[in-house]
Amino acid sequence: GAVVSQHPSWVICKSGTSVKIECRSLDFQATTMFWYRQFPKKSLMLMATSNEGSKATYEQGVEKDKFLINHASLTLSTLTVTSAHPEDSSFYICSAALWSGYNEQFFGPGTRLTVL
Amino acid sequence: DQQVKQNSPSLSVQEGRISILNCDYTNSMFDYFLWYKKYPAEGPTFLISISSIKDKNEDGRFTVFLNKSAKHLSLHIVPSQPGDSAVYFCAASARRYGGATNKLIFGTGTLLAVQP
Repeated sequence: GAVVSQHPSWVICKSGTSVKIECRSLDFQATTMFWYRQFPKKSLMLMATSNEGSKATYEQGVEKDKFLINHASLTLSTLTVTSAHPEDSSFYICSAALWSGYNEQFFGPGTRLTVL
Repeated sequence: DQQVKQNSPSLSVQEGRISILNCDYTNSMFDYFLWYKKYPAEGPTFLISISSIKDKNEDGRFTVFLNKSAKHLSLHIVPSQPGDSAVYFCAASARRYGGATNKLIFGTGTLLAVQP
């Protein structure tokens, strides 16, 4: 099946630093990747939709300058949390879709970010 | 505004019995629905999906029923097994033909516990 990886699986950083999270589709090319955030005991909240070679589309309320997304290739998208603060601590999950119009998304294992 | 709702935060079922997880939606533009299973600190795993042109889709022990007039769908697991214990999310999408992959709107999840 389609496999999506994320790196790192967990990260602890100091307040004010930036953290980059990678999302890779290992055995398929993903035209579109998505970034989600999950708060404890809450649903997955879509942050942004990332299309290869173009700017990401951010959901309402998500700061694009805070959460920088780059989708430079069909197998890699990165999310950079800039100037992280404790309230950015969360579980970040990416997903990838096989092709445009294909609704099934394959999810990565997630990245636990803790900002001290 | 929660467009996809799972009103039961948790469900406990005996092994071998049927598990029924429910999901309601409000947006009549949704035409594709999916169920995902999620373990703690992992990404969601796709289980089963259904298009709005159908009212039932079955895959092994998993069956999804869709009632469009009631804007309600349910996931039946039979027989339930202890390994099914996890959080189950329903998700909905409004597909566009020829456009970019559509985003999924997730429900809040139901924690299923299957007792041995």
